[in-house]
Amino acid sequence: QKEVEQNSGPLSVPEGAIASLNCTYSDRGSQSFFWYRQYSGKSPELIMFIYSNGDKEDGRFTAQLNKASQYVSLLIRDSQPSDSATYLCAPDSGGGADGLTFGKGTHLIIQP
Amino acid sequence: GAGVSQSPSNKVTEKGKDVELRCDPISGHTALYWYRQSLGQGLEFLIYFQGNSAPDKSGLPSDRFSAERTGGSVSTLTIQRTQQEDSAVYLCASSSYPKASAIPYEQYFGPGTRLTVT
Repeated sequence: QKEVEQNSGPLSVPEGAIASLNCTYSDRGSQSFFWYRQYSGKSPELIMFIYSNGDKEDGRFTAQLNKASQYVSLLIRDSQPSDSATYLCAPDSGGGADGLTFGKGTHLIIQP
Repeated sequence: GAGVSQSPSNKVTEKGKDVELRCDPISGHTALYWYRQSLGQGLEFLIYFQGNSAPDKSGLPSDRFSAERTGGSVSTLTIQRTQQEDSAVYLCASSSYPKASAIPYEQYFGPGTRLTVT
């Protein structure tokens, strides 16, 4: 049984600060990791993808992966009110045949 | 281009009735996924289609759930004898599995169908 753990929050961060979102997973076979953002009442959209240990940066977003610790995180720099959403972590074992096992998501609130 | 479309956007049905939910994937996407999202819960994977291949149905929550994909494109998810616990948002996603996408297996989600069983 694949498990993905995320702190459900809400995580409240002041505007302009760094938001740190964490995710742990149980399946050591996971090779790549997705971060999806879901605004209230909307469908998820992919914002980051990482498959190598270390950091991957894309604009204000940085994904960090540590396969030995089975831990992946998402950092959002210079947080904006528009970043307020639920962030879903999904490890991928490769192949897509199992679909994605999502965590329950972290609800992030950026306070103006 | 057009994204994943789903219909209906909202469906209210009485307990015990059957419902059909439709998904039209992005043109050219060979993989199609169904997920369910209950209130306050994460996304629960239900079933996956790759082209015209027979799907793995082991993720479906009960034998009241079935899904088909005709011609490798449009898919329908059918729930028979609906129960109140079936109330959720049903999301469909598609991807250009396995090599065409710049990001392997990136799934594009549709707007979902909100199902309410009364």
